[in-house]
Amino acid sequence: AQKITQTQPGMFVQEKEAVTLDCTYDTSDQSYGLFWYKQPSSGEMIFLIYQGSYDEQNATEGRYSLNFQKARKSANLVISASQLGDSAMYFCAMRGLNTGGFKTIFGAGTRLFVKA
Amino acid sequence: DAGITQSPRHKVTETGTPVTLRCHQTENHRYMYWYRQDPGHGLRLIHYSYGVKDTDKGEVSDGYSVSRSKTEDFLLTLESATSSQTSVYFCAISAAGQGDEKLFFGSGTQLSVL
Repeated sequence: AQKITQTQPGMFVQEKEAVTLDCTYDTSDQSYGLFWYKQPSSGEMIFLIYQGSYDEQNATEGRYSLNFQKARKSANLVISASQLGDSAMYFCAMRGLNTGGFKTIFGAGTRLFVKA
Repeated sequence: DAGITQSPRHKVTETGTPVTLRCHQTENHRYMYWYRQDPGHGLRLIHYSYGVKDTDKGEVSDGYSVSRSKTEDFLLTLESATSSQTSVYFCAISAAGQGDEKLFFGSGTQLSVL
């Protein structure tokens, strides 16, 4: 069975500092994808970054980077130079191939608060 | 923005009544998903579809059924609504591919079961 665990219900970070949001996963699949999504208070879901299980390099997208440690089954999101607009819920997700095709499951999320 | 429309946006219903939520896409994407979002649980997969008339269960499928008779529409039915099904329901879509395709989400449906 696949599972995503986010152990930090809430995190605080000072504006302009970096913050790491933790994500661990469990799967028996050899091939899978890891994603991070952001949900602001408006409720929309915004894709941030993707990491494939066979990718050797950590993914980066602007101020977002994914610290992928395959042996530890972790896929932490690093946000550099935090901004007030980064205050939101952040979800880690994993996409794997099932009998019926690809499905994506999510963790419980981490609420990030950026302080001025 | 991906063309995904959820209807209704808000619904209040009574315990024991059937409820159907609709997700409509204009992207011709193969995969469609229904999630529910509850505080402390994140998004939990209810059902998903990998093609017309091809569906499979997710993590929390009890009490829900789905149908997909056309590529663009994916219906979620609560057969007999209960208060525990009060939640925000999100539809999502993704293209077929190798597994790196991100999800595009609808705006959500706030469902209250009284």
